[in-house]
Amino acid sequence: DAKTTQPTSMDCAEGRAANLPCNHSTISGNEYVYWYRQIHSQGPQYIIHGLKNNETNEMASLIITEDRKSSTLILPHATLRDTAVYYCIVRVAGHNAGNNRKLIWGLGTSLAVNP
Amino acid sequence: DTAVSQTPKYLVTQMGNDKSIKCEQNLGHDTMYWYKQDSKKFLKIMFSYNNKELIINETVPNRFSPKSPDKAHLNLHINSLELGDSAVYFCASSQERGRVTDTQYFGPGTRLTVL
Repeated sequence: DAKTTQPTSMDCAEGRAANLPCNHSTISGNEYVYWYRQIHSQGPQYIIHGLKNNETNEMASLIITEDRKSSTLILPHATLRDTAVYYCIVRVAGHNAGNNRKLIWGLGTSLAVNP
Repeated sequence: DTAVSQTPKYLVTQMGNDKSIKCEQNLGHDTMYWYKQDSKKFLKIMFSYNNKELIINETVPNRFSPKSPDKAHLNLHINSLELGDSAVYFCASSQERGRVTDTQYFGPGTRLTVL
């Protein structure tokens, strides 16, 4: 079972920031938070990941709470092409993680960006 | 250039047939995966190979047999196809060795329909 909970769906106006929440209250100290998205009929696409600190890249920002029990993915200026299902996943990392390194996917948040 | 490619994109076949799906990655990654996404959109890992060695093998019927001729290829052969095998199958790759964390890059998917 997935170790994260996300809202089933969200709406966002084009050009506005989209803030997608994720709860991972049972996260372990060696687990990273990953975000992927899946645009309709395509393969999942990596967005960003983090451990404790906030992270930013060209696609998005990731804000992780101090207790690491939740996080928020921020798309600063959502476009119509950002309409997709967004998955928040916690995953063990490390050289000897073995089978624990697999990604366990939930149903994600279906984000609709509206014109 | 396509990073992770799969063939065919669509596959329609009769129950009881045997079919194969091919996957190739040109990213130089050492780990490849097969995922199944069912009609409810759950994405579940099936297999993972690291340098041609099977490292993840989920509870998958033994009618499914992955084959990795080299680390750039991971094919999926399915014997005696059943209606319940209808799904979208995604191949992915990542670089595990020497990394604490990694991202997985997904192919475009193969939509398998069993009649």
